[in-house]
Amino acid sequence: SQQGEEDPQALSIQEGENATMNCSYKTSINNLQWYRQNSGRGLVHLILIRSNEREKHSGRLRVTLDTSKKSSSLLITASRAADTASYFCATDYNDMRFGAGTRLTVKP
Amino acid sequence: NAGVTQTPKFQVLKTGQSMTLQCAQDMNHEYMSWYRQDPGMGLRLIHYSVGAGITDQGEVPNGYNVSRSTTEDFPLRLLSAAPSQTSVYFCASRPPAHYTQYFGPGTRLTVL
Repeated sequence: SQQGEEDPQALSIQEGENATMNCSYKTSINNLQWYRQNSGRGLVHLILIRSNEREKHSGRLRVTLDTSKKSSSLLITASRAADTASYFCATDYNDMRFGAGTRLTVKP
Repeated sequence: NAGVTQTPKFQVLKTGQSMTLQCAQDMNHEYMSWYRQDPGMGLRLIHYSVGAGITDQGEVPNGYNVSRSTTEDFPLRLLSAAPSQTSVYFCASRPPAHYTQYFGPGTRLTVL
């Protein structure tokens, strides 16, 4: 079964708004990663947060991790139409498992 | 540096046919893996390899074989294609002791 589960499944916002998506997972992890997939393309790595970190920033991205709740969130601030994509969380214990993703639509 | 390459980009098979999806990387990564992506299911791990000569099963290995004779190549074989194997297949690689995976562009496979 998949390790990560993203929520919501789909999110539609206006350009300039913030987008928040969540990920829950089931077992212990070494780290958690977020990837983006543009339609029909391969996945691209966005950010990695280690199990001993609580928050990490990269440009307009902010990731939090709560290992006690086995959950993570990805915040994209000041969204742009180009952020329209599917976003996946992935956890890595013995091998990497992905969730079903959140499909983000940013309307111009 | 081409990264992770996959061939073919598109393939249509008839039920029962066999074929090999090719994956190659030029980054000298030890770890390589194959995923399939179905609508609404996200990515599911088929097989992975931690180095030449070593392979292991993922979540959905049935109907697929892999081998890893070189660091660069990790082909995925469908022995007898079934309509349930219609999917988009992604190959990925990563260096040892590093968690970020690099993905290929994918192969869209249709089995009739």
